[in-house]
Amino acid sequence: EAQVTQNPRYLITVTGKKLTVTCSQNMNHEYMSWYRQDPGLGLRQIYYSMNVEVTDKGDVPEGYKVSRKEKRNFPLILESPSPNQTSLYFCASSSLVPGTVTEAFFGQGTRLTVV
Amino acid sequence: AQKVTQAQTEISVVEKEDVTLDCVYETRDTTYYLFWYKQPPSGELVFLIRRNSFDEQNEISGRYSWNFQKSTSSFNFTITASQVVDSAVYFCAFSNSNSGYALNFGKGTSLLVTP
Repeated sequence: EAQVTQNPRYLITVTGKKLTVTCSQNMNHEYMSWYRQDPGLGLRQIYYSMNVEVTDKGDVPEGYKVSRKEKRNFPLILESPSPNQTSLYFCASSSLVPGTVTEAFFGQGTRLTVV
Repeated sequence: AQKVTQAQTEISVVEKEDVTLDCVYETRDTTYYLFWYKQPPSGELVFLIRRNSFDEQNEISGRYSWNFQKSTSSFNFTITASQVVDSAVYFCAFSNSNSGYALNFGKGTSLLVTP
C-alpha cells in the first residue's frame, strides 16, 4: 500500500530536549516536505527536499532541521524545542514530473507538545 | 506571491442539503495547479482533486463537484446531498514551480453536517 509513515503520532517533550520526527514514503517520490498546522494559521511549509541531499527552507524554517540521506526518508529535527513549536506536523511526498505539479500524499500527522 | 482565501470559516448544514465551499486565489502566474484536501476528525489529510490552470472544465465525482473559473480566480467545491461523513475541514491549495512546488493552503472551511 502506497503510504507516508510518520512516527511518533503523539509526543510530549520538554523545552530544549532534542527530538526527531521520522517520515518515510514507499512511493519512490522525489519531493518531500514538512508542514505544521496551527489554529488560525492553517498549514505552512517548514522545509522541503527535491531529491537526496537537496533540501531548502519553506515559509517557517526557524528552529527546525531536516536531512535527506535516502530517497524514502525525510526526518524533521528539533534541536532545542520550544513551546511555540507545539503544533500538528505533517510530512508529505509527491513525484516531480516535468511540466506539472502532482498531488501530495500526507502522513497521518504528529501532534507535538513542548512544555 | 500566491494567496488562497477560504472566506467561510465554518459551515453547518443538515444532512441531504447541498453545500458549496468557496476558494479564491491570487497569482500573477499563468501556470499553476489548484487542489482540494479533506481533513476528517481523525486528522489525516486526504487528497480530493487537482486542477491545472489550463483546464477549466468542471469536474464531478459522485456527490462532489468542482467549478473552476479563471475569470473570477475561483475554484469552488460543491457537495450534493451532504452526509454526516462529509463533516471535516476542507482545504483549498495552490502550487506551481515558482513556489518551489509548495502547497499554499487556504485557512480551511470546517463543515459540519448534522442528521
